[in-house]
Amino acid sequence: DAGVTQSPTHLIKTRGQHVTLRCSPISGHKSVSWYQQVLGQGPQFIFQYYEKEERGRGNFPDRFSARQFPNYSSELNVNALLLGDSALYLCASSHHHPEAFFGQGTRLTVV
Amino acid sequence: GQNIDQPTEMTATEGAIVQINCTYQTSGFNGLFWYQQHAGEAPTFLSYNVLDGLEEKGRFSSFLSRSKGYSYLLLKELQMKDSASYLCAVRASDRGSTLGRLYFGRGTQLTVWP
Repeated sequence: DAGVTQSPTHLIKTRGQHVTLRCSPISGHKSVSWYQQVLGQGPQFIFQYYEKEERGRGNFPDRFSARQFPNYSSELNVNALLLGDSALYLCASSHHHPEAFFGQGTRLTVV
Repeated sequence: GQNIDQPTEMTATEGAIVQINCTYQTSGFNGLFWYQQHAGEAPTFLSYNVLDGLEEKGRFSSFLSRSKGYSYLLLKELQMKDSASYLCAVRASDRGSTLGRLYFGRGTQLTVWP
């Protein structure tokens, strides 16, 4: 069974650009969450989606948005990129069990 | 708000036992998790506690005291491959949602020496 898959694995963007990150959850998992992990820190919650509805939002500006599709995959969009958005973006899926399973992440570098 | 505190760094030698502590202050507590994260990789699930007490899983054990807002992860028979960051995370349920979100500490970087 495939785990959580994210694409792309690495990405370099310039300030002001827009980026879309993608996540496919484990088959059968209906909840997807997004986290941002800056170097040397723990992951910070950005969004949670369940059954295509937003169920939680962290303390991130409106430049960050997300959605979940009928097949439960998800996209995270970030507009007007800033240098401070450089981080590892993690997607986690879960369904009816306590732990969240993380994908390998997308390493975003903003220059 | 949520506040999770754990030591930044720890070192130990192969074959030894190490205990990584985590204290937390949170509302809507709905479970405590420990994850292992090797550099540049995704966090991998180690343990979950929602009731007070000790959960044992092979070389790893995790303890929770909800009244004290305290947990620890115990690693026995340390191996070189255990060198990693260990993340303490609390799941808190938000109003209107039973799913909960994970709040992570900064992680404890464990280095195991031969």
